[in-house]
Parts: sequence; C-alpha cells; structure tokens
Amino acid sequence: AQKITQTQPGMFVQEKEAVTLDCTYDTSDPSYGLFWYKQPSSGEMIFLIYQGSYDQQNATEGRYSLNFQKARKSANLVISASQLGDSAMYFCAMRGFNQAGTALIFGKGTTLSVSS
Amino acid sequence: DAEITQSPRHKITETGRQVTLACHQTWNHNNMFWYRQDLGHGLRLIHYSYGVQDTNKGEVSDGYSVSRSNTEDLPLTLESAASSQTSVYFCASRQGENTGELFFGEGSRLTVL
Repeated sequence: AQKITQTQPGMFVQEKEAVTLDCTYDTSDPSYGLFWYKQPSSGEMIFLIYQGSYDQQNATEGRYSLNFQKARKSANLVISASQLGDSAMYFCAMRGFNQAGTALIFGKGTTLSVSS
Repeated sequence: DAEITQSPRHKITETGRQVTLACHQTWNHNNMFWYRQDLGHGLRLIHYSYGVQDTNKGEVSDGYSVSRSNTEDLPLTLESAASSQTSVYFCASRQGENTGELFFGEGSRLTVL
C-alpha cells in the first residue's frame, strides 16, 4: 500500500529565509509521481510542483524545488526566499501508475507560517 | 475558461438525511475524484471514476456513493448523513492516467447536526 508521511505539523520561518518541508513516502510501484500542493487559508488547493520517479533532475518551479532522494524515499519541498504569502498548509501527495494506484494519496500536511 | 465547480459550497443538514454534493467540470476530463479533508488527516480519497459508468471505492467510502452518467459530473451522495461525515469535501479531475496534477474544485463544507 502507498503511504505519505509528513512529520512536521507546523513550521515557522521569517521572510526571505529558505524553508524545507519534509515528506517521506512508501510504495511498491516501480513508477510513481510525487506532488506538492498549497492550501491557503481561503481553502483552495493549488498545485505547486511534480517529480516523476524516473526523472533524473530535481524538479524546480520558480521559488519551489523538490529535493528528491529516491533511495531514502523522500521528496522534500524547498521554498527559497519565503514571502508572507507563502503562509499556508502544504500537502505532499503520491500516485502510482498502475490501474489500482492512479489516485493521489495525500499526507496530513504541514502548516507553514511566515513572519516579517 | 474551463473549470471545476462544486455545489453547494456550504450545507447544514441533520443526521439521517440524504445529501448530494454536486461536482461539474468543463475540461472533459475522464478521471474524477472525491476527497474529504479533516484536521489531522489531510485529504482522504472517498470515491473515484475513470470514465462514464466507472466508479471505484477509495480509502473512506463507507456511507458514500457516486455515479457517473456523463463525463462532466460526479455527484457524491451521503445516503444517511452522520455527524462523522461533517467535513470539507473536495472534488478533483485529471485528464488521463499518464498525466499528473489534479485540478480541484473550491470545496464544499458540510455540517451534519
């Protein structure tokens, strides 16, 4: 069975600092994808970044990068130069690519608070 | 613009009542999903569909049902609402099995008294 673990319920960072949100996963699928979503206080789910299990390079999207360590089964999100607008809940998610596993499985989330 | 919409956005109901949450997407996506979000649990999969007439149970499907009669809609029905089903419900869609991200609706907050 697939599982996503986010061990940090809350993180606190000051503006302009970098922050790493942890995510570990477990799967028996040889091919899988890893995602990060942001949920601000307004409630919508915003897709941030995607990493495929066979991608050679770590994914980057602007200030977001995904630190993918396959052997350790970790997919940490790194936010560089934090902004006040980054304050939100962040979810790590995974999907397999077999018929039974194409839905996304989510972690419990990490609340990030950015202060000035 | 194409979008995914949920209705109602907020609903209060009583224990034992039947409730249906609507989800409509205009992207013509084959894959649609229902999740519930609860504090301390993240998002948990309720039901999902890979196309018309296809429905599948997720992790927390007890007490819920879905039907897929067309590509655009996947309504979620609570046959007999329970207080444990008080939650925020999200509908999502995805184009195909080999693409990644889910597109989410804005969520429906359901309170069962």
